[in-house]
Amino acid sequence: GESVGLHLPTLSVQEGDNSIINCAYSNSASDYFIWYKQESGKGPQFIIDIRSNMDKRQGQRVTVLLNKTVKHLSLQIAATQPGDSAVYFCAENKADSNYQLIWGAGTKLIIKP
Amino acid sequence: SQTIHQWPATLVQPVGSPLSLECTVEGTSNPNLYWYRQAAGRGLQLLFYSVGIGQISSEVPQNLSASRPQDRQFILSSKKLLLSDSGFYLCAWSKRFTGGDYGYTFGSGTRLTVV
Repeated sequence: GESVGLHLPTLSVQEGDNSIINCAYSNSASDYFIWYKQESGKGPQFIIDIRSNMDKRQGQRVTVLLNKTVKHLSLQIAATQPGDSAVYFCAENKADSNYQLIWGAGTKLIIKP
Repeated sequence: SQTIHQWPATLVQPVGSPLSLECTVEGTSNPNLYWYRQAAGRGLQLLFYSVGIGQISSEVPQNLSASRPQDRQFILSSKKLLLSDSGFYLCAWSKRFTGGDYGYTFGSGTRLTVV
């Protein structure tokens, strides 16, 4: 669910390592999930999405995994680069709405040189 | 292709002054439009959304209002700003009838500082 009042959790990763960012979603009826990347001072940008009839989807250097049993979503970034430093948000479609999203709290990814 | 424009990028306003932030979308029709606010180091808070001209839904009680005078224009306003209105304001659009595609496209944001 939405946690707009909380400070963002932080994940520090060594450059070149893989990053895994986790997200727990709230509604078992949600059937669409998205990951966004927000760089400092910019609006969030779409990274990758996945529908509930899938458990894995791959993009360029990114993989999203969906575990519907435990309502868990993760974003894996391979060979993390300095440009991956950002805040990452997960979102799920809101039940009884054909357009609204419910946003996760966000995770700040810091890349160590 | 669709684009979203949001301005100004940065704004410093005194307490008690009015506010008007504008957002326009190009390359699509009948979009759903959203205003979000983000405090420093925090998550996204939905303020308003609109599914059509003149149709505004408010998610949280506040000192702000929104209007949609045209299909692709969304305005965030305040008559008298408070210090607590400071933040990063984001406009976004999504498809009206999603067909299962719920993706949002965000504008570049407005950094508002109330002094």
